[in-house]
Amino acid sequence: QQQVKQSPQSLIVQKGGISIINCAYENTAFDYFPWYQQFPGKGPALLIAIRPDVSEKKEGRFTISFNKSAKQFSLHIMDSQPGDSATYFCAALTGGFKTIFGAGTRLFVKA
Amino acid sequence: NAGVTQTPKFRILKIGQSMTLQCAQDMNHNYMYWYRQDPGMGLKLIYYSVGAGITDKGEVPNGYNVSRSTTEDFPLRLELAAPSQTSVYFCASSYSNSGVTGLDFGPGTRLLVL
Repeated sequence: QQQVKQSPQSLIVQKGGISIINCAYENTAFDYFPWYQQFPGKGPALLIAIRPDVSEKKEGRFTISFNKSAKQFSLHIMDSQPGDSATYFCAALTGGFKTIFGAGTRLFVKA
Repeated sequence: NAGVTQTPKFRILKIGQSMTLQCAQDMNHNYMYWYRQDPGMGLKLIYYSVGAGITDKGEVPNGYNVSRSTTEDFPLRLELAAPSQTSVYFCASSYSNSGVTGLDFGPGTRLLVL
């Protein structure tokens, strides 16, 4: 059973468009919600993270929106670029260190 | 800093064989993890360690064993390889709160069990 559910599985966006990836969770003990980016042949790398007492966090073109009551959070990539083409994973942590990942979203940005 | 290193990069095993996947980090991280990545399934936590001598099971521990005798090393042992263990294995490490600093991943080991 997937503790963190991620959608869509794949996403195609035009250059300059907005990419949106959604995640949902059930366990209210999760205390941190990071997003990771993975390029082919590499390990994932932390992109941006949010605590559950914050509703939004922005870093450059990347924004996390967090809805605690709905137990949902999402990643928005503004002005998407071909270099953003990668697999994105949402994740959730308990105890500040045990990270559980979603199934991933393969993003392709068309030039 | 070399970061997190893993060996080997790629390995083919026959059913029933055993092997050890090596992982080392030089960042003095207390926490270390093993994940497996299967297509469309994300990363699943196999085992983790919060310090030398302390290990615990993750989401999918069956068929694997770990040990942590030093802060730097965290090997993963497959005793009787099965086709279901065909996967890409990632080792990772972190400071105490990886929500803030993130997990540092190694380059991965691709394992094929035939």
